[in-house]
Amino acid sequence: DTGVSQDPRHKITKRGQNVTFRCDPISEHNRLYWYRQTLGQGPEFLTYFQNEAQLEKSRLLSDRFSAERPKGSFSTLEIQRTEQGDSAMYLCASSMGTGGQETQYFGPGTRLLVL
Amino acid sequence: AQSVTQLGSHVSVSEGALVLLRCNYSSSVPPYLFWYVQYPNQGLQLLLKYTSAATLVKGINGFEAEFKKSETSFHLTKPSAHMSDAAEYFCAVSYRAGNMLTFGGGTRLMVKP
Repeated sequence: DTGVSQDPRHKITKRGQNVTFRCDPISEHNRLYWYRQTLGQGPEFLTYFQNEAQLEKSRLLSDRFSAERPKGSFSTLEIQRTEQGDSAMYLCASSMGTGGQETQYFGPGTRLLVL
Repeated sequence: AQSVTQLGSHVSVSEGALVLLRCNYSSSVPPYLFWYVQYPNQGLQLLLKYTSAATLVKGINGFEAEFKKSETSFHLTKPSAHMSDAAEYFCAVSYRAGNMLTFGGGTRLMVKP
């Protein structure tokens, strides 16, 4: 049973550098989500895909953030010109279906520290 | 717009005592409601969810929650706390159109021996 996987698990970078995170969803899940979680807070929705289509990206925090899911399988989240305020846990989740009640299965997250 | 409020960022109970974690939501349309648990350095794991069937929902590890529309609440309970229940608990809401989850701020549950 393979769940959602994320790579890397930890990333330390210097301010101004670009970083890219990868998420591999549960096989055959058509929806994939990205969330950001800062210390002591609940996860905050960023964007999501249905298959390869990005259906909601208005919640991406700035134009420095972008996400792709090129073949409807894995996804990448890129942050350009990182800032210290980008330090957070980035969570990926996947689900099957389109109704709104489906369970989202979360990966272990990528913890980003921007120095 | 929808929002979730979790009353009490920290809750401490003794082992064997009742666990009650509070969640109130605000939604202009019928919601779907979820409780997730997060252990240190791990992702979120679903405990239970309400999807407009039975208002009393039973989940894993002995947890249950009751949807009360009149109170816009979805409180999480467990009759007897175990040390392994110590974790962060998040209430979340979604609705039919998008399925993006809106989370509350979380409640850290501590269990004393």
